[in-house]
Amino acid sequence: DSGVTQTPKHLITATGQRVTLRCSPRSGDLSVYWYQQSLDQGLQFLIQYYNGEERAKGNILERFSAQQFPDLHSELNLSSLELGDSALYFCASSVGDRVNSPLHFGNGTRLTVT
Amino acid sequence: AQSVTQPDIHITVSEGASLELRCNYSYGATPYLFWYVQSPGQGLQLLLKYFSGDTLVQGIKGFEAEFKRSQSSFNLRKPSVHWSDAAEYFCAVGVGTYKYIFGTGTRLKVLA
Repeated sequence: DSGVTQTPKHLITATGQRVTLRCSPRSGDLSVYWYQQSLDQGLQFLIQYYNGEERAKGNILERFSAQQFPDLHSELNLSSLELGDSALYFCASSVGDRVNSPLHFGNGTRLTVT
Repeated sequence: AQSVTQPDIHITVSEGASLELRCNYSYGATPYLFWYVQSPGQGLQLLLKYFSGDTLVQGIKGFEAEFKRSQSSFNLRKPSVHWSDAAEYFCAVGVGTYKYIFGTGTRLKVLA
């Protein structure tokens, strides 16, 4: 058990809808990362927050947004969903905000857009 | 350009055989190096990491990896594979200040 909690585990929704994925980091970790994993794209970095502030942005679509709250949990909001958004979405946390802090991953949220 | 290459998409080994998974990276400086394992339905679990010092690092579950600067490689090894090692393995590098780059993964199948 990594200590990172993601909810829900599965989400099935229709095109055009909006969903929110939630992540609680390991106790003591200040950084939260969001990744998208799909068969054709592999593991793609979306965005990183550190202690409530955005630190780095990756290949995140404008339809997607995220935030980290004062209690350090994070939410990833996906809107105007398309079939191609179907994927496994992972949250990871680390103690620091730099690459010398290993990432600890949650078990992911599997999103299916129909 | 910064990149991570795992040349083998699939590898099949017999239980008890040795294992080596390859990882090559492209980066102008020495990166932080990681290996992760992903079992079905699970998130990625850190196996080991290399930051500096001894180029042979030991990890969990009997895995080790060797950093070779001249070859820009960080190959993962295990002397004797167990059926429970069947999973997908990801090499990752930390470059710059904030950026992690993951390889596309190698799926390991273990024959009984």
